[in-house]
Amino acid sequence: GNSVTQMEGPVTLSEEAFLTINCTYTATGYPSLFWYVQYPGEGLQLLLKATKADDKGSNKGFEATYRKETTSFHLEKGSVQVSDSAVYFCALRGEGNDMRFGAGTRLTVKP
Amino acid sequence: GAGVSQSPSNKVTEKGKDVELRCDPISGHTALYWYRQSLGQGLEFLIYFQGNSAPDKSGLPSDRFSAERTGGSVSTLTIQRTQQEDSAVYLCASSLLAGLGNEQFFGPGTRLTVL
Repeated sequence: GNSVTQMEGPVTLSEEAFLTINCTYTATGYPSLFWYVQYPGEGLQLLLKATKADDKGSNKGFEATYRKETTSFHLEKGSVQVSDSAVYFCALRGEGNDMRFGAGTRLTVKP
Repeated sequence: GAGVSQSPSNKVTEKGKDVELRCDPISGHTALYWYRQSLGQGLEFLIYFQGNSAPDKSGLPSDRFSAERTGGSVSTLTIQRTQQEDSAVYLCASSLLAGLGNEQFFGPGTRLTVL
């Protein structure tokens, strides 16, 4: 079945550091890929998405490119801020409309 | 409403009791999902409703878990004879359509604690 594997955390960075959170997936067909974010005390919210190969999703300085050849959707940001501290979830929606989430990666950014 | 709402926000129950968790999706959203988030774990898919179609129950962990969606809107997740391992945050999400790229909007969750 479909599944998502993402980098284990926690990840601790200093402000303005470069961030990469790895995400790889296993799926049949052509899934859509998502990154969701959960800020402290808040519910999950969509950060960005990509619906086909080579698409790049971007939002709030974060980017992720749908790489079918490596079955990856790594999340990157060039310069993190303290306000980016949150838990990040990589997710996949298959052709059957089921959603699969990764285990989440907790990011802490220190000033 | 403005977003997905869930009730109660917190539920503490004793082992063996039944519990009902409620989800009010965003008005007009045809797809509704239930997930479970255990401490330190990712989101575990439980069940999915799309319009009037038969629900996808493939994620329900046991026959103690069931869910229904009345009138294509409100959904109730029922856990019978609760066990301590059922303790988790139960999240509901809805989306306008069930298409591949459609965003899911999540509720705040119900934190269930089974003593």
